[in-house]
Amino acid sequence: NAGVMQNPRHLVRRRGQEARLRCSPMKGHSHVYWYRQLPEEGLKFMVYLQKENIIDESGMPKERFSAEFPKEGPSILRIQQVVRGDSAAYFCASSRDSSGGANVLTFGAGSRLTVL
Amino acid sequence: DAKTTQPNSMESNEEEPVHLPCNHSTISGTDYIHWYRQLPSQGPEYVIHGLTSNVNNRMASLAIAEDRKSSTLILHRATLRDAAVYYCILTRSSASKIIFGSGTRLSIRP
Repeated sequence: NAGVMQNPRHLVRRRGQEARLRCSPMKGHSHVYWYRQLPEEGLKFMVYLQKENIIDESGMPKERFSAEFPKEGPSILRIQQVVRGDSAAYFCASSRDSSGGANVLTFGAGSRLTVL
Repeated sequence: DAKTTQPNSMESNEEEPVHLPCNHSTISGTDYIHWYRQLPSQGPEYVIHGLTSNVNNRMASLAIAEDRKSSTLILHRATLRDAAVYYCILTRSSASKIIFGSGTRLSIRP
């Protein structure tokens, strides 16, 4: 029973390029969350998605960042025109549902983006 | 959202119990208390959660004060692998996301 799979694990981009990070949730999970962790800082919520819907994007930067979770395939976090400040670890988590405060998230190992 | 307060760091000896405190004086009646931990260079990992009663699982125990304004995560016999940042988080039934604070960085002395 594979956990939350994220790829690539490491990604290097030059300033101005695009970065695409993929997340496959655990089997049976239909809710996906993305978090960002800057070096030596805490985890910051970015976005929460269900299949084909963005439920909460209150933590997403207004520009250059987008996320999707299509009916088929993994969730994608896309960063356009990357800048050095985007260098961080991006973690994806999934859950079976979101009902109630007992909702437990399972996290992936993260994708580490380095912008040169 | 209700806030939690944890010590920035703690140290403990290997093979001894560890008690990690968390204060949440503004907790509401429907808030669950969750603990996650993040080992170095890894993603966060669920540890345990509870509502009112104390909880035990294979990883740890959660002791919740009677007034629910504080809780303690108990690692019964720390190993070097337990060195991590431990996050105490309140989750509300009306909210689907979890918000991480700064947590407690636990170091284990061999």
